[in-house]
Amino acid sequence: DAGVTQSPTHLIKTRGQQVTLRCSPKSGHDTVSWYQQALGQGPQFIFQYYEEEERQRGNFPDRFSGHQFPNYSSELNVNALLLGDSALYLCASSLWTTWEQYFGPGTRLTVT
Amino acid sequence: SQQGEEDPQALSIQEGENATMNCSYKTSINNLQWYRQNSGRGLVHLILIRSNEREKHSGRLRVTLDTSKKSSSLLITASRAADTASYFCATGNYGGATNKLIFGTGTLLAVQP
Repeated sequence: DAGVTQSPTHLIKTRGQQVTLRCSPKSGHDTVSWYQQALGQGPQFIFQYYEEEERQRGNFPDRFSGHQFPNYSSELNVNALLLGDSALYLCASSLWTTWEQYFGPGTRLTVT
Repeated sequence: SQQGEEDPQALSIQEGENATMNCSYKTSINNLQWYRQNSGRGLVHLILIRSNEREKHSGRLRVTLDTSKKSSSLLITASRAADTASYFCATGNYGGATNKLIFGTGTLLAVQP
């Protein structure tokens, strides 16, 4: 039973570019949440998807957008990258009805 | 913004000793969870305690919750070198229909062999 998978593992982009990160949830899970973790900090909630809709959003600008597909997988898109977007991006999956979340290994994004 | 703050920020102990980490949070919660993170990679769920519970055990882990003080503690007994990691508390909050988590700032635990 595969856990949460994320791709790519690492990514280097330049300021102003756009990036797409991908996540496949744990088998049986229907909800995907995205978090941004800056170096030395705790993860910060970006948004959550359930039934292909964004259900809640953290304090992130509209440059951050997402999508959930019918197979429950999800994408995180970031436009007009800034140096401050450099971070570890974590995807977590869960059931809509439960609180425990299962995290993927993350995508390390570096913006130069 | 972070919901909670963990204390201490860093902790270094010898193998076999107990490690205690504390977490304080700001708003009313549905539950509080603890996660472990190795070397800046994905987080691993350790334990969940609900707001109406005061103590919970899982193997070598013991978690307490004091909602009147808005605080929780995680005790790892008989620590091992493999316990070296960052530990985060995360709160599941009332309000909204989603199971959104708000994380604390983390405690970096180093267990010396």
